[in-house]
Amino acid sequence: DTAVSQTPKYLVTQMGNDKSIKCEQNLGHDTMYWYKQDSKKFLKIMFSYNNKELIINETVPNRFSPKSPDKAHLNLHINSLELGDSAVYFCASSRSGGGDTQYFGPGTRLTVL
Amino acid sequence: GQQVMQIPQYQHVQEGEDFTTYCNSSTTLSNIQWYKQRPGGHPVFLIQLVKSGEVKKQKRLTFQFGEAKKNSSLHITATQTTDVGTYFCAGLRGGATNKLIFGTGTLLAVQP
Repeated sequence: DTAVSQTPKYLVTQMGNDKSIKCEQNLGHDTMYWYKQDSKKFLKIMFSYNNKELIINETVPNRFSPKSPDKAHLNLHINSLELGDSAVYFCASSRSGGGDTQYFGPGTRLTVL
Repeated sequence: GQQVMQIPQYQHVQEGEDFTTYCNSSTTLSNIQWYKQRPGGHPVFLIQLVKSGEVKKQKRLTFQFGEAKKNSSLHITATQTTDVGTYFCAGLRGGATNKLIFGTGTLLAVQP
């Protein structure tokens, strides 16, 4: 029983394409996150949703659009992919926001050619 | 903006040697968490420290939160090959956004 799952695990695509990454958590948590981890392993938060509402929106290009159909799901859609978008994207969840333990998904490795 | 820096960026040790990573924040933190990410894996929560000067132990791992709540350290005694991975601290600033800021990470390599 995977607590936080992401699909796909790997995503290879051409520049200019649009792609989506899906995330689901079965922990009953209220808060979900998207992180980007670059080649230097820096983990940067992109978005945070609490009970389907956007609460954190970092300085992310508006080509990135999160969508939370319900509190168990947080998807990430990326338009007009660029080379610099290549990274590992992690979804995470926590019981509530802020200081609670975060549970990470396995990650999606996005490669833009 | 707020930064959480870790040193060293990379550490290579022989199995059995000790290891320490240091975490420093530019601002006071409400709490600090530590995560471990194995190569090819995802970050996994290790521990949370809340009180000024707090020290917690998990077997061979010792975590400390500074008196000023701006720094923290993780010390591993007698490293094993299973300790390999990147260790991240993550500080909670509090306030309106109540956001967890991850440190830059320390990659630990352990040679058997």
